[in-house]
Amino acid sequence: QKEVEQNSGPLSVPEGAIASLNCTYSDRGSQSFFWYRQYSGKSPELIMSIYSNGDKEDGRFTAQLNKASQYVSLLIRDSQPSDSATYLCAVLTGGGNKLTFGTGTQLKVEL
Amino acid sequence: DTEVTQTPKHLVMGMTNKKSLKCEQHMGHRAMYWYKQKAKKPPELMFVYSYEKLSINESVPSRFSPECPNSSLLNLHLHALQPEDSALYLCASSVLLVPNRETQYFGPGTRLLVL
Repeated sequence: QKEVEQNSGPLSVPEGAIASLNCTYSDRGSQSFFWYRQYSGKSPELIMSIYSNGDKEDGRFTAQLNKASQYVSLLIRDSQPSDSATYLCAVLTGGGNKLTFGTGTQLKVEL
Repeated sequence: DTEVTQTPKHLVMGMTNKKSLKCEQHMGHRAMYWYKQKAKKPPELMFVYSYEKLSINESVPSRFSPECPNSSLLNLHLHALQPEDSALYLCASSVLLVPNRETQYFGPGTRLLVL
């Protein structure tokens, strides 16, 4: 079983819709979870971090964490073409500074 | 300011060359990281430095040699690389203040091509 799993996509949503990206992780002791956005040929850019069960909102982005189900999600409201990118779910493991990434979900926002 | 800088942006080297990648941050972060990312794959951790000391080496071949001269600077020395080492090399840093709450910020990367 992979440590961090994501659907690779592509996930296609129309402009203005809500995009929902999902991630599961295997290490039940994990405490910190991150979403990074990566445009083609660029480096990962931090979008959200979440540490507690529940929702965390930042602008059009909402991260959701359910530790009992070992599940993290990212909602993007009012999706824009500029949101088209690969979204990487990352989990902090190994005592606190080892970041393990999922394979990423490619999001395409269509006009 | 969450800026991590990396030089060079692009590097082409032969299998017998020796080259170095450089990473710098001036945010007072005390942990620095090297990752390798192949096309359409997620970043893979190579090395972690905490307080200028190597704390994690993910069984990386010895042809990759990291160095942390001071708390702001991280180097990756390359020698006798193979074509399969061609990848995007990413540097990241984090504060190292609160255990299990470390947020890593990535530099723009160095795209390496080994011929």
